[in-house]
Amino acid sequence: GQQVMQIPQYQHVQEGEDFTTYCNSSTTLSNIQWYKQRPGGHPVFLIQLVKSGEVKKQKRLTFQFGEAKKNSSLHITATQTTDVGTYFCAGHHSGAGSYQLTFGKGTKLSVIP
Amino acid sequence: DGGITQSPKYLFRKEGQNVTLSCEQNLNHDAMYWYRQDPGQGLRLIYYSQIVNDFQKGDIAEGYSVSREKKESFPLTVTSAQKNPTAFYLCASSVRSGTMYNEQFFGPGTRLTVL
Repeated sequence: GQQVMQIPQYQHVQEGEDFTTYCNSSTTLSNIQWYKQRPGGHPVFLIQLVKSGEVKKQKRLTFQFGEAKKNSSLHITATQTTDVGTYFCAGHHSGAGSYQLTFGKGTKLSVIP
Repeated sequence: DGGITQSPKYLFRKEGQNVTLSCEQNLNHDAMYWYRQDPGQGLRLIYYSQIVNDFQKGDIAEGYSVSREKKESFPLTVTSAQKNPTAFYLCASSVRSGTMYNEQFFGPGTRLTVL
């Protein structure tokens, strides 16, 4: 099946450092979504990117969608302990019936106070 | 208060028994999904349904069954044929926008342990 690769799998940062997670697909995506899952919780939607080269910001979080619509990144500036959790990207692959979302394996972020 | 509910939160079963996980939504969403989450594996799609009385297999449907008799409900049965059923099960729903679906809303999940 179609896959979305996400790296790194784990990231430990000192509070105040920046953090970036990357997603890559071998095929073109219709859109890409990002989710955050706190420890013991369920995934919560953060944002959706649709357009080629799109950049969106939410406070300290910056999301990018590549020009070819095959890759995406999430960057957190000056991490805080509240950023702890696992961040997932998920993409709808282009083509008929873009109803199935393919999730990356996630990046687990630990923030050391 | 709109949302997705899953029950129970924790479930223990003996090996060889079938078990049904509940998922209900009052968001009036068309599509519903079941995912399985194992440590380090992300979310893997088991089944999804776009409309009442219709559903499709996801990537790991073997050993599972579903029904969609009502728009609000999408129960998942973990059968004895599932070789490694212990996992965290997440139900989600989304609304359609043209030919695509918008963001997915997840329930709190059911943690199934088979002894």
